[in-house]
Amino acid sequence: DAGVIQSPRHEVTEMGQEVTLRCKPISGHNSLFWYRQTMMRGLELLIYFNNNVPIDDSGMPEDRFSAKMPNASFSTLKIQPSEPRDSAVYFCASSTDSYNSPLHFGNGTRLTVT
Amino acid sequence: RKEVEQDPGPFNVPEGATVAFNCTYSNSASQSFFWYRQDCRKEPKLLMSVYSSGNEDGRFTAQLNRASQYISLLIRDSKLSDSATYLCVVNMWGGKSTFGDGTTLTVKP
Repeated sequence: DAGVIQSPRHEVTEMGQEVTLRCKPISGHNSLFWYRQTMMRGLELLIYFNNNVPIDDSGMPEDRFSAKMPNASFSTLKIQPSEPRDSAVYFCASSTDSYNSPLHFGNGTRLTVT
Repeated sequence: RKEVEQDPGPFNVPEGATVAFNCTYSNSASQSFFWYRQDCRKEPKLLMSVYSSGNEDGRFTAQLNRASQYISLLIRDSKLSDSATYLCVVNMWGGKSTFGDGTTLTVKP
């Protein structure tokens, strides 16, 4: 089992640039989650999908953030335009169903916006 | 008030000690509960699920008290390799997983 795969592992960009983070969930998992982790705010849920449909995006900070899941094996989180305060580790996680199964996390993308 | 609250610690204990972490949750409709472990600069990894009757996995014991809305994790005979941040997780109907901020444990020789 390849696990949840995220890319890139590290991203350094300048303020104002567009950033796209990618995630491939574990095959057969039908729920996908995007989290952001910082020292100040801990692990925050940004958005989650069930069967490719966004269920709760209340954690998305603002309109600069958008997420898509065009099919069961791929999701993107886009930040446009990026700002220094977006610097964080972004984790993608997947699970087999939406409430009774644990999450399996990818290695994360460490984003630095200068 | 946060939905899931943990004592941030840090807990500094000697090898061989027994240490316990507590976690409280605010929503009585919470459905399932987990403990995760996170090492520095790594992703969170599932340590164990928490069942209503309590459950044990080697040196680790998890308990759930629905009436008081808290869960606990007990680590016996601490090892140096147990040093990490321990995250309490609460799942709701509809799929939302809420993480506590974590409790940091350092086991010293």
